[in-house]
Amino acid sequence: DVKVTQSSRYLVKRTGEKVFLECVQDMDHENMFWYRQDPGLGLRLIYFSYDVKMKEKGDIPEGYSVSREKKERFSLILESASTNQTSMYLCASSRSGFSGNTIYFGEGSWLTVV
Amino acid sequence: AQSVTQLDSQVPVFEEAPVELRCNYSSSVSVYLFWYVQYPNQGLQLLLKYLSGSTLVESINGFEAEFNKSQTSFHLRKPSVHISDTAEYFCAVSLGGGGNKLTFGTGTQLKVEL
Repeated sequence: DVKVTQSSRYLVKRTGEKVFLECVQDMDHENMFWYRQDPGLGLRLIYFSYDVKMKEKGDIPEGYSVSREKKERFSLILESASTNQTSMYLCASSRSGFSGNTIYFGEGSWLTVV
Repeated sequence: AQSVTQLDSQVPVFEEAPVELRCNYSSSVSVYLFWYVQYPNQGLQLLLKYLSGSTLVESINGFEAEFNKSQTSFHLRKPSVHISDTAEYFCAVSLGGGGNKLTFGTGTQLKVEL
């Protein structure tokens, strides 16, 4: 089974802090994603990476950056956390080459910024 | 750009009753369609997907969805729900041509009552 592991399930951070959300997948997938989930808004794509050191902005990249130094690991960085970034963050991965490939999700990281 | 509309934010239903969760999409090009399910405090899991061929696709736990190109719909149905089907259901679309990025609807909360 594919496993996407997010290192922290629940985090509480202060406004202005730098926050790292870490994600690891064990299936050698080329694609990795960070989504944000908010009630009534569904999931929105923050960033997408299709290879090591390669990244592409999603629909809501403002206030976020990402890092992919190794194929299995994809990090989401909040440079200066703000209260409007309080949300559930979901990491995902998939094989490349076909838009119909299944995307596999981690269990999510609940971030509260106070 | 593509978009996905899930008109029903909540659907309450009694156990053993039938249910339909509605999904409409808009896209000027061919798409792949997905239904994902999210159980409480978990990430998303693929329920079923339409890639090509038969317009009726089924999941292993009794759900089915029918791709209707003329109505740009991909409604999810189950003839008899169980209490364990209580979850949030997300419809998503991926464009053909690579990239594997999903655009999600806002989700439908299915609550099955005894």
